[in-house]
Amino acid sequence: DTGVSQDPRHKITKRGQNVTFRCDPISEHNRLYWYRQTLGQGPEFLTYFQNEAQLEKSRLLSDRFSAERPKGSFSTLEIQRTEQGDSAMYLCASSLDRQTDTQYFGPGTRLTVL
Amino acid sequence: TQLLEQSPQFLSIQEGENLTVYCNSSSVFSSLQWYRQEPGEGPVLLVTVVTGGEVKKLKRLTFQFGDARKDSSLHITAAQPGDTGLYLCASNFGNEKLTFGTGTRLTIIP
Repeated sequence: DTGVSQDPRHKITKRGQNVTFRCDPISEHNRLYWYRQTLGQGPEFLTYFQNEAQLEKSRLLSDRFSAERPKGSFSTLEIQRTEQGDSAMYLCASSLDRQTDTQYFGPGTRLTVL
Repeated sequence: TQLLEQSPQFLSIQEGENLTVYCNSSSVFSSLQWYRQEPGEGPVLLVTVVTGGEVKKLKRLTFQFGDARKDSSLHITAAQPGDTGLYLCASNFGNEKLTFGTGTRLTIIP
């Protein structure tokens, strides 16, 4: 297994458009996390899944954001009606099963909203 | 809200020099992780420290965990250009999500 993968790596969109990102975790990892990182900051937690269940969402995740993990494998993060403030790196991470298990990060999707 | 403070925010030194970066919190860490992130990539885990007073070494990198588990340091000996990157500390503070510091951006000048 080559690790966590994310697609696309870069996305440029116009304000008001919808975008969707995909994350493929390490196989057999039950937990999947989404983080957002803006320039000059560390990553900030958005949401996480245990298998297909979304168990926690940050207040950063406005109504325009939705995440799914329908079969407990890959996950998608959709942003509707994008705003310039949504421009950031969106990172996905996965871990085995326990809260203490190491989270392994993907390369991220860099979103630029014009 | 648990906050992790990292210092310095920026550090630029010559190749071959030694350096130390710090991570502090007002809360006790359940465990602490150090990551390195290169531009356009995700963070890559360097080490996890769990026990107060713990010291771990990874080649030229030495990680220390404070006795009270509220602080940690990363020391790099004989820095090389390949050490350039953003160094992040993170902890889950016993929760599901990782809380990251703002990072130390390290530049090693050849």
